[in-house]
Amino acid sequence: DAGITQSPRHKVTETGTPVTLRCHQTENHRYMYWYRQDPGHGLRLIHYSYGVKDTDKGEVSDGYSVSRSKTEDFLLTLESATSSQTSVYFCATQQGTSTDTQYFGPGTRLTVL
Amino acid sequence: TQLLEQSPQFLSIQEGENLTVYCNSSSVFSSLQWYRQEPGEGPVLLVTVVTGGEVKKLKRLTFQFGDARKDSSLHITAAQPGDTGLYLCAGTTSGTYKYIFGTGTRLKVLA
Repeated sequence: DAGITQSPRHKVTETGTPVTLRCHQTENHRYMYWYRQDPGHGLRLIHYSYGVKDTDKGEVSDGYSVSRSKTEDFLLTLESATSSQTSVYFCATQQGTSTDTQYFGPGTRLTVL
Repeated sequence: TQLLEQSPQFLSIQEGENLTVYCNSSSVFSSLQWYRQEPGEGPVLLVTVVTGGEVKKLKRLTFQFGDARKDSSLHITAAQPGDTGLYLCAGTTSGTYKYIFGTGTRLKVLA
């Protein structure tokens, strides 16, 4: 357990509205990730961060933006939510190397109507 | 696009049986990880393998990384109901911290 919290845990919103999900960690891990999980797709990387203000795109980044202004917080924003973004979103952190453990948060279930 | 194919997608077995889950790709990975995920929770790391041909054991679970580092397997001996869950493999290529996850194998072990 790497002290990862996600907020909110559940959210229902309407198409076209902006949504921000927050990931907070207490372990001072360098790397932070946002994934979405959908049936039949496993986990897909949206964006990740390798330091404060340093981010990069993952395989499904369209329609999402991220920000990391502090080591402990990584925000995921859906600029204009669509029904295809209905999913479970997981944040993960990793200390320093690619073989280090990725610790996952409890997830946020987002429904876009 | 890199893909990690897992098979089987679903597996329902009786307690005490053995099983193997496969994770295959056409890409070479510098490391490969196996996770287990329970309903309503995030995945939890089971093991990381980094060397071609590497075998790691975790109690009744045996993990193998293919010689060419394109595939991996997870073997469970004498499965127990507590092994029930979603098993995910994830790989990363050299010089990147981007992880590709497999589609998952949902295992149910019946008592």
